[in-house]
Amino acid sequence: ILNVEQSPQSLHVQEGDSTNFTCSFPSSNFYALHWYRWETAKSPEALFVMTLNGDEKKKGRISATLNTKEGYSYLYIKGSQPEDSATYLCASNSGYSTLTFGKGTMLLVSP
Amino acid sequence: NAGVTQTPKFQVLKTGQSMTLQCAQDMNHNSMYWYRQDPGMGLRLIYYSASEGTTDKGEVPNGYNVSRLNKREFSLRLESAAPSQTSVYFCASSSDRAYGYTFGSGTRLTVV
Repeated sequence: ILNVEQSPQSLHVQEGDSTNFTCSFPSSNFYALHWYRWETAKSPEALFVMTLNGDEKKKGRISATLNTKEGYSYLYIKGSQPEDSATYLCASNSGYSTLTFGKGTMLLVSP
Repeated sequence: NAGVTQTPKFQVLKTGQSMTLQCAQDMNHNSMYWYRQDPGMGLRLIYYSASEGTTDKGEVPNGYNVSRLNKREFSLRLESAAPSQTSVYFCASSSDRAYGYTFGSGTRLTVV
């Protein structure tokens, strides 16, 4: 079982602020890093899957980067909107293992 | 709509009762998973099936059994429910380890 850690645990920002979260994971035998968006009372939805060191992915105002050598990934949200309020999960796997999820970063964006 | 369908959405059981959570996907995915989500614990893997005909234990398998009935369906059974199994259960599927998981809508189970 991998140790996947996310920080901060929660974040409260104002509409229009840009923000970022961190996910750290074991770098040895790395295979993939996933980001999910999880709204209250719904199920997690996949945002990005990254596998190569230096990968950068973007979807609208949300982007993510990956550093497999040092074992971290950043998720950025530019100009946060209230509808961005959700818990953001990262997950990693190595070798032939299944995904291990972090505990998530809960984002609240106030109007 | 294509995706992962879980039933039931809610269930209350008495200690010692048994039940089966059903999960079906229509995306032709090879791999299917059962997770539980508890406050402060994140998503923890109970069992998974990498392909039709195979099942393996995850992080927290005790008290559960699974059946991969065919490529579409993966069920989770609680033989003798305990209050510690009160949780939200999610089924998920994926085509390959390099692709994101698709999650079902969850089952909120309370054991009293």
